[in-house]
Amino acid sequence: KAGVTQTPRYLIKTRGQQVTLSCSPISGHRSVSWYQQTPGQGLQFLFEYFSETQRNKGNFPGRFSGRQFSNSRSEMNVSTLELGDSALYLCASSLGGMKTEAFFGQGTRLTVV
Amino acid sequence: EDKVVQSPLSLVVHEGDTVTLNCSYEVTNFRSLLWYKQEKKAPTFLFMLTSSGIEKKSGRLSSILDKKELFSILNITATQTGDSAVYLCAVEDNSYDKVIFGPGTSLSVIP
Repeated sequence: KAGVTQTPRYLIKTRGQQVTLSCSPISGHRSVSWYQQTPGQGLQFLFEYFSETQRNKGNFPGRFSGRQFSNSRSEMNVSTLELGDSALYLCASSLGGMKTEAFFGQGTRLTVV
Repeated sequence: EDKVVQSPLSLVVHEGDTVTLNCSYEVTNFRSLLWYKQEKKAPTFLFMLTSSGIEKKSGRLSSILDKKELFSILNITATQTGDSAVYLCAVEDNSYDKVIFGPGTSLSVIP
């Protein structure tokens, strides 16, 4: 059974650019959650998608957005990148949201220069 | 505001030692508490706790929740170098259906 796949693994962007990250959940999982992890702030919840609908959103500016496709794959987009957006972005998939066991991907390391 | 606090933030022990990691929380409407182990990148699930006083065990790891005092502990006995990782505590808020993570405890086990 394939795990959660995130692409790309590493990314370097310049300030002002935009970026799209991808997450393919475990087959059969309908919930995908996105997290930002930085040394200073720890792991912070961005948003969760379930059956193509955003179910909840954390306290991030509107530059952070996402979507989920009918096959449960999810994308996260960050526009007008800032230096502070440099972080490890993790996605987690689960059958029915975080109240069930969630499986994390390896993450995408984004560096904004 | 919902928050999860973990202590200590970092810990160095020798192989064979027993460690206790702490997690306290404040959430509007508690649903569950989760423990994860993070090595390198992807956190891996350890335990989900929903009821007070019921210990969950998996090998050398165990965890228990106190909903009255709003905390949980994660115990690791007979530590091994492979236990070196960041241990994350997270709390699920039923009201908002989201998960709040603590800062993590970085555990280093030295031979």
